[in-house]
Amino acid sequence: QKEVEQNSGPLSVPEGAIASLNCTYSDRGSQSFFWYRQYSGKSPELIMSIYSNGDKEDGRFTAQLNKASQYVSLLIRDSQPSDSATYLCAVNTGGFKTIFGAGTRLFVKA
Amino acid sequence: SAVISQKPSRDICQRGTSLTIQCQVDSQVTMMFWYRQQPGQSLTLIATANQGSEATYESGFVIDKFPISRPNLTFSTLTVSNMSPEDSSIYLCSAVPGGGNYGYTFGSGTRLTVV
Repeated sequence: QKEVEQNSGPLSVPEGAIASLNCTYSDRGSQSFFWYRQYSGKSPELIMSIYSNGDKEDGRFTAQLNKASQYVSLLIRDSQPSDSATYLCAVNTGGFKTIFGAGTRLFVKA
Repeated sequence: SAVISQKPSRDICQRGTSLTIQCQVDSQVTMMFWYRQQPGQSLTLIATANQGSEATYESGFVIDKFPISRPNLTFSTLTVSNMSPEDSSIYLCSAVPGGGNYGYTFGSGTRLTVV
């Protein structure tokens, strides 16, 4: 069974620090990888996508992909209290089907 | 990106009854997806809905329990039938605007409580 694994947390970081969120996946043939942010009581919101090995930066967010290690990470620089949310790692396993991890809860302390 | 309107946002239902959840997308999309999310849990795919064909259900989900309609490229419904307290969950619809691997846009979700 194809799986996406994340540490459930909570991960607590002080304001201004770098938050590092990690994810591993089981399907070696996966090609597309996503990070979603989900605030409590809200639906997930796409914040990053990455398709090739290496780093992809968008503002304070950097996604990192290592297909050989089947590992995806999300770095949030200069963390703000408004970044406090659950971050879902998602992997497209073929066609349009996407499998989601259970999410990591992030708390940014002011 | 697309906007998906989902309703109702929440409902409390009696066991044995059915609830239909609607999702309207502001642009045409080939495929729509229905997920369920238990509190503190991952999103679980219920089914994939293509316009003009029957939905494709994931293991553990059946059409009699979760019938889906997809009458056109902007609209879909999910019915939760013969509900039991175990069906209490958040139900989410999603779509891939523009096709391809661009990530999902989600509706706002339906919080269902069965009593």
